[in-house]
Order: sequence, then C-alpha cells, then structure tokens
Amino acid sequence: DGGITQSPKYLFRKEGQNVTLSCEQNLNHDAMYWYRQDPGQGLRLIYYSQIVNDFQKGDIAEGYSVSREKKESFPLTVTSAQKNPTAFYLCASSMAGTRNSPLHFGNGTRLTVT
Amino acid sequence: KNEVEQSPQNLTAQEGEFITINCSYSVGISALHWLQQHPGGGIVSLFMLSSGKKKHGRLIATINIQEKHSSLHITASHPRDSAVYICAVELGGGATNKLIFGTGTLLAVQP
Repeated sequence: DGGITQSPKYLFRKEGQNVTLSCEQNLNHDAMYWYRQDPGQGLRLIYYSQIVNDFQKGDIAEGYSVSREKKESFPLTVTSAQKNPTAFYLCASSMAGTRNSPLHFGNGTRLTVT
Repeated sequence: KNEVEQSPQNLTAQEGEFITINCSYSVGISALHWLQQHPGGGIVSLFMLSSGKKKHGRLIATINIQEKHSSLHITASHPRDSAVYICAVELGGGATNKLIFGTGTLLAVQP
C-alpha cells in the first residue's frame, strides 16, 4: 500500500542535542511538507520541498533544517537552536502542489525534549 | 483574529445525530480542505473543494466563496466519527501551496 511513513512515533531527547525525524513516501509525490502541531494551535509549516534537491522555508523554519536528496525522503532535523522543540511533527506529501491534489499525511512523531 | 476560524471548538453528539462543523476564513483562497485527525495523531484528507458541494458516504462538505464560509456535515453520526476535524485554506495566487489551518473541532459521538 502507498503511504507516508514517519519514524519513530515517539522520540525523547535531552536539551542541546540535535535530532532527526524520518519521513518516507512511496506515493511518487513531488511535493513534501513538514508541519508542527502544538495544543490549541493550527498546524504550522516548517519547511516544504517541491522537487528533489530544492526546499523552501515555511513560517517557522528557525531552528530546523531539512534535506531532499531523494524524491521519497524528506528528513527534518530539529537543532539545538530551536527554542521550544517539544511538539507533534507531521510530514505530508502531495502531487506537485496541493491545488489539484489532496495532502497525504504520515502518522506523526511526538518529540519530547527535556 | 485568526485567518481561519472553526466552530464549535468542541462538540458532543449522540449516535445518529446530524452534525455540522463550520469554518470561516478571511483571506482569498483557491481551495479549502477538510481533514480528520484521529486520537493517534494521523491525519486523513476528507475533502478538497473550491466551489459548491461534495459528498462522500455520510460526509458532506459545502463552500460559499462569496461568504467565505464552509461547512462539514456528518449524517447518522457514529462513535467511530469521533476525531478532530480540521479546516485548512489554500491561499489564492502565487506558485506555492501554502495552507492556513484552523485549530480544529473536537467531536465526540456517544453511543
């Protein structure tokens, strides 16, 4: 079955450590996105990529980094510079642009930094 | 004021009831998405619409572009419909596909 796989489901890190969240899709989608979800707030866009080897900052990119070396993979690194990293992180993909195709989401990674 | 407002924030219904969740927005859009998030956190896309009405099973989504308003209806609700329903709008114009999300409506359907 086609879909998006995020791993791990739960992740615990100490403050000051970088951590990388995995996102893999086998839907042959060109566009991939990373969102952050906090209680009482709507999803916020961290980074997105429309094509391999290219990505753009979203609304809250500070303290995060991404790479898009393969079409199927869009890992997100939460660096020690991110002031409030504890959150639920969702990866999504769509065909080139969401205007004519829906978003497909992974099941998310809940990151806790202490 | 948020650009996307959903109401109600929380909704409890009895099994079999007709449910309506509302979404109002204040920006020009090219499309509106309705999403469903289950307790485990995964999100499923329910509808994407830019005009009129769409139906899938017991779910119906409508949009009024002039009034900048959309509704999601659930007929004959069932406990398995219990989830957070999220409205997201896609901004009009430009080459990016930026979505602005509402904060969600938590629906609990009791047997």
